[in-house]
Amino acid sequence: QVQLVQFGAEVKKPGASVRVSCKASGYTFTGYYMHWVRQAPGQGLEWMGWINPNSGSTNYAQKFEGRVTMTRDTSISTAYMELSRLRSDDTAVYYCVREYRSPDYWGQGTLVTVSS
Amino acid sequence: EIVLTQSPGTLSLSPGERATLSCRASQTVTSSYLAWFQQKPGQAPRLLIYAASNRATGVPDRFSGSGSGTDFTLTISRLEPEDFAVYYCQQYGTSAGWTFGQGTKVEIK
Repeated sequence: QVQLVQFGAEVKKPGASVRVSCKASGYTFTGYYMHWVRQAPGQGLEWMGWINPNSGSTNYAQKFEGRVTMTRDTSISTAYMELSRLRSDDTAVYYCVREYRSPDYWGQGTLVTVSS
Repeated sequence: EIVLTQSPGTLSLSPGERATLSCRASQTVTSSYLAWFQQKPGQAPRLLIYAASNRATGVPDRFSGSGSGTDFTLTISRLEPEDFAVYYCQQYGTSAGWTFGQGTKVEIK
């Protein structure tokens, strides 16, 4: 069965960077785009961008251009999202989401807390 | 960017009642690219409906989606206790990326 596994939590200081991982299993990793979506505490969902795991091409939301980098390692079926120059308002749960005709499978999320 | 506006913000209903949730887009959304999600506290969103009216695998048939153009609806025919949650609509069909509505909370009256 399709699974997207993310690890639990990260605590970072303002100005630092964080890299969130998403390990895929149960399907051909390179066959489906992977998106990243975040959700601040008590807030709605915000799209950050996608990566094509086959080619490595990316498309980022304008809001995050220059601060976000999405990469992948096809040998271990893992996608990564790195966000730099963290601010307190980057505190959120970060989800990876597979797209197949629609956003069908979501990871369980990684809580990133930015605090001094 | 397509802006999605959901209404109402909160819906207070009793189990067994019918729930009707609205999602209005600022410009036409290709019907193939409108989805609905359910989210419970501490959980990731769960896909309910894709392409405006197609139920995702394993979704009970009390959930149905309809609409086209700029107006879309999610209907829950008879609310079960496990249906009380927050619901989001989403468009995923443009090169500009995904956008989400702000959510509708369905709470127990």
